[in-house]
Amino acid sequence: GESVGLHLPTLSVQEGDNSIINCAYSNSASDYFIWYKQESGKGPQFIIDIRSNMDKRQGQRVTVLLNKTVKHLSLQIAATQPGDSAVYFCAENNNYGQNFVFGPGTRLSVLP
Amino acid sequence: EPEVTQTPSHQVTQMGQEVILRCVPISNHLYFYWYRQILGQKVEFLVSFYNNEISEKSEIFDDQFSVERPDGSNFTLKIRSTKLEDSAMYFCASVGSSDEQYFGPGTRLTVT
Repeated sequence: GESVGLHLPTLSVQEGDNSIINCAYSNSASDYFIWYKQESGKGPQFIIDIRSNMDKRQGQRVTVLLNKTVKHLSLQIAATQPGDSAVYFCAENNNYGQNFVFGPGTRLSVLP
Repeated sequence: EPEVTQTPSHQVTQMGQEVILRCVPISNHLYFYWYRQILGQKVEFLVSFYNNEISEKSEIFDDQFSVERPDGSNFTLKIRSTKLEDSAMYFCASVGSSDEQYFGPGTRLTVT
């Protein structure tokens, strides 16, 4: 069946450096993708989304890149801060906002 | 900023008992979701709800589960006869005019 997965389960970066979190998806029919941040003890928090008719989208300090050719999604965080430490999930959807499939998550640790 | 709220934050119940998890979505939102996250695992879709009926449900959402929007504000998830494997964090989410899903803080369900 379709699945969404992450290449790296953990990522440690130095404060101030850029972070790149990757996600592979297998359902070529997916047309909408979201990155979520989940801090300990809290629910997932929407970061940024992208539709399949785009290959890049920028937010505040975050950029999502979509490569449909290789079914790869990445989240770039510029100037990583201690408050960015969390688990990051990608999620895919191909049914106009109904059933989202989540990846297992990558834990980002920001080192002082 | 509007937010999704969930009660209780932690529910402990004995196997075979019924539990009702409550959510108050953001007031002008129209789409509602329940997800669960077993400890250390990925977020899993349970059910989506729109216009007072279920839009889509996953294989997890079997006959033991039901959802209800009893009034204009609450959205509930009922598990009729809890099993040990129902122990998880349960997240409610709602979506408004944009596609952004707003998640609640979750209810930790512990079945003993």
